[in-house]
Amino acid sequence: EAQVTQNPRYLITVTGKKLTVTCSQNMNHEYMSWYRQDPGLGLRQIYYSMNVEVTDKGDVPEGYKVSRKEKRNFPLILESPSPNQTSLYFCASRAYTNQPQHFGDGTRLSIL
Amino acid sequence: GQNIDQPTEMTATEGAIVQINCTYQTSGFNGLFWYQQHAGEAPTFLSYNVLDGLEEKGRFSSFLSRSKGYSYLLLKELQMKDSASYLCAVRGGGGGADGLTFGKGTHLIIQP
Repeated sequence: EAQVTQNPRYLITVTGKKLTVTCSQNMNHEYMSWYRQDPGLGLRQIYYSMNVEVTDKGDVPEGYKVSRKEKRNFPLILESPSPNQTSLYFCASRAYTNQPQHFGDGTRLSIL
Repeated sequence: GQNIDQPTEMTATEGAIVQINCTYQTSGFNGLFWYQQHAGEAPTFLSYNVLDGLEEKGRFSSFLSRSKGYSYLLLKELQMKDSASYLCAVRGGGGGADGLTFGKGTHLIIQP
């Protein structure tokens, strides 16, 4: 089954404790993205990758890092999480420019 | 910059028809997407328009006018399961790293 898998689905942690949210896709897609979704603000792109070892900042990259060492994986790293990073996070992948995004099920992060 | 406007909330009756509008101002245009998102779940792809006109897919249709910077999503024979948020997303020449900007979404409430 074609899918984008994120882990964990839910996480409650404390300020400053490094965390990684994993994302993996099995569709051999070139493009992968991370978004955060907040009430009243909609989906905002954090980072984007168009292929292995190629990443670029989205609209809200501050406080986040990503890597793309393999085509299928695109982890999101919060080196020193802060409460304003409490949000619902989605990973997405797509094949080409005019193809739709396939989204993971989301990760709900709470930073205390 | 990129700007996408959608109504925040709409209410409609089961069995009726509803039209959700989206207007956009973007630097460049390379396609418009509509997604459906149930509360707490991932967005799922509904439709894609890149040329002017109407695209029909079963109960859902989407219309685009590039000269007016305008699109709408038409839902017919509404069912209770259509209660969800509907996201308009435009791929322009700027915005996020891959040029895809999401509107804040329209929360559609279906009443019996």
